[in-house]
Amino acid sequence: AQTVTQSQPEMSVQEAETVTLSCTYDTSESDYYLFWYKQPPSRQMILVIRQEAYKQQNATENRFSVNFQKAAKSFSLKISDSQLGDAAMYFCAYLQGGSEKLVFGKGTKLTVNP
Amino acid sequence: DTGVSQDPRHKITKRGQNVTFRCDPISEHNRLYWYRQTLGQGPEFLTYFQNEAQLEKSRLLSDRFSAERPKGSFSTLEIQRTEQGDSAMYLCASSLGRPSGTYEQYFGPGTRLTVT
Repeated sequence: AQTVTQSQPEMSVQEAETVTLSCTYDTSESDYYLFWYKQPPSRQMILVIRQEAYKQQNATENRFSVNFQKAAKSFSLKISDSQLGDAAMYFCAYLQGGSEKLVFGKGTKLTVNP
Repeated sequence: DTGVSQDPRHKITKRGQNVTFRCDPISEHNRLYWYRQTLGQGPEFLTYFQNEAQLEKSRLLSDRFSAERPKGSFSTLEIQRTEQGDSAMYLCASSLGRPSGTYEQYFGPGTRLTVT
């Protein structure tokens, strides 16, 4: 079974600085997708960014970018110019091609200090 | 554009009671998913529907749990004879599905269940 590991239970960053959240996954499949979701306190989960495994280019969405290392099975999220509104739980998730079941990591709690 | 909605947002019930949650997906989405999230954990998959057909169920979904999506629109998740271990956030998500759409799942705000 596929597993997703987020080794940092908590991270903190100063406002306007850059932070990187780590995620590794275990799979023997070649067709899959990876996601980062953000879950603010008492609010719903929001998709931040996605990456298709067949694409070599790292995905970017405004201040959010990923470092996708397929051979190492690593998928880290970089947040640039951190803002107070970025404070949330961040979940890394894996979706196998042909499946509908997202597999989530345990999450990283990000604190942004003013 | 309305997102995924869930009702109720919070439910407190006594052990042994039955509870039912409702999820309304994004209107054009034909896939609907239920996940459960306990404190300090990521969401865990429970089941999913394509239109009205329930196509996959997790082993987490014991016999006390049943989900329906009768007309391929909204869905209900019922838990019978609730136990304290059922206390969790129940999340609903929907997607347009492949190949006509994308594989991105959009989540609702969740229903937080507390069993006393």
